[in-house]
Amino acid sequence: DTGVSQDPRHKITKRGQNVTFRCDPISEHNRLYWYRQTLGQGPEFLTYFQNEAQLEKSRLLSDRFSAERPKGSFSTLEIQRTEQGDSAMYLCASSLGTGSWELFFGEGSRLTVL
Amino acid sequence: GNSVTQMEGPVTLSEEAFLTINCTYTATGYPSLFWYVQYPGEGLQLLLKATKADDKGSNKGFEATYRKETTSFHLEKGSVQVSDSAVYFCALSGGPFGNEKLTFGTGTRLTIIP
Repeated sequence: DTGVSQDPRHKITKRGQNVTFRCDPISEHNRLYWYRQTLGQGPEFLTYFQNEAQLEKSRLLSDRFSAERPKGSFSTLEIQRTEQGDSAMYLCASSLGTGSWELFFGEGSRLTVL
Repeated sequence: GNSVTQMEGPVTLSEEAFLTINCTYTATGYPSLFWYVQYPGEGLQLLLKATKADDKGSNKGFEATYRKETTSFHLEKGSVQVSDSAVYFCALSGGPFGNEKLTFGTGTRLTIIP
């Protein structure tokens, strides 16, 4: 399978702990996006990368959130000092870059904060 | 800012019925419009798109027309199948090439009964 893969698929943690999610995009895709989806809502944009450069961050991305894409391939999203309000599905998507219309989404990483 | 208002669900139809899922948007400039679909256990997939006014996107028997005068992008299918059961998301992109951050609606869950 050469689609977007995310790991772990489900993470349960206690409030105050740190968690990290990983996303492996489709190879040769230059752009990588992170979205967050809560129950009954559509995905909300968090941030995106063009290669290794983080081009935009949403105001939803508080100081406790950090995302990296160190070599322009896989990306990590870290949440520090988790809160119950962070419980959500975290979606990763990738695309070929400028001129491409389609985002390819992974199946998501579900975070549950107890 | 940009926003998408989508017909609330869930929607339950019998097989071969006609489907309409309403979507209206608010945006500055000239957004591109999309329908994404999420089948059970899978990631979001692009269903169809339209990049300028009066464009009609189509795929798998689904159609949607970009109506600038009514700021709408309603999804239609003439005869639904059980395999169409999924969650459908209307979305818009403010960028010129569609490869910018997407603003999603809340999603409409569709169930088709044999």
